[in-house]
Amino acid sequence: KNQVEQSPQSLIILEGKNCTLQCNYTVSPFSNLRWYKQDTGRGPVSLTIMTFSENTKSNGRYTATLDADTKQSSLHITASQLSDSASYICVVNTNAGKSTFGDGTTLTVKP
Amino acid sequence: EAGVVQSPRYKIIEKKQPVAFWCNPISGHNTLYWYLQNLGQGPELLIRYENEEAVDDSQLPKDRFSAERLKGVDSTLKIQPAELGDSAVYLCASSLSGDGYTFGSGTRLTVV
Repeated sequence: KNQVEQSPQSLIILEGKNCTLQCNYTVSPFSNLRWYKQDTGRGPVSLTIMTFSENTKSNGRYTATLDADTKQSSLHITASQLSDSASYICVVNTNAGKSTFGDGTTLTVKP
Repeated sequence: EAGVVQSPRYKIIEKKQPVAFWCNPISGHNTLYWYLQNLGQGPELLIRYENEEAVDDSQLPKDRFSAERLKGVDSTLKIQPAELGDSAVYLCASSLSGDGYTFGSGTRLTVV
């Protein structure tokens, strides 16, 4: 069964600090992996997309990594801001267009 | 570009009553999805449309849920009758040939 596991479930950090969110998956056949940011009361918004051959991709203060061999991805947030408080969802897609969503990591950035 | 528009944003109904949600996808996006999202969980696919055809409705509880996408543009999702366990956020998303989603803000349904 295709699964996406995210950790930690929730995280609290101080403004300005860095953090790393983890995503492990068993989805096959792998096509790509996306990280989404979901603010409270809003729909998810795509941050990054990574294909099989990509190891690292950055979007401003967000850097995603992918290890296709171990089927792990991480999202690193640098110099966190209060506006980074949100749920971060990892989504893995198959070649057939099927998507498997993780349950997300809820990040709270405190001043 | 307006994005994916959903309405209403919030809905409170009594159990056993019907309810309907509406979604207008991004212009030109042929693929439309309805997702259900419970608190603290990721979205779960209910139904996927390619133009006006429902190509994946395997997770749609067809005894009480129905959806349509007439003319392959906007879509409605209906629940009749609603149950307490249907309380959730209903997200609509669209994409161009399955290449990444753009989500709407969702409809938060509360069944009392």
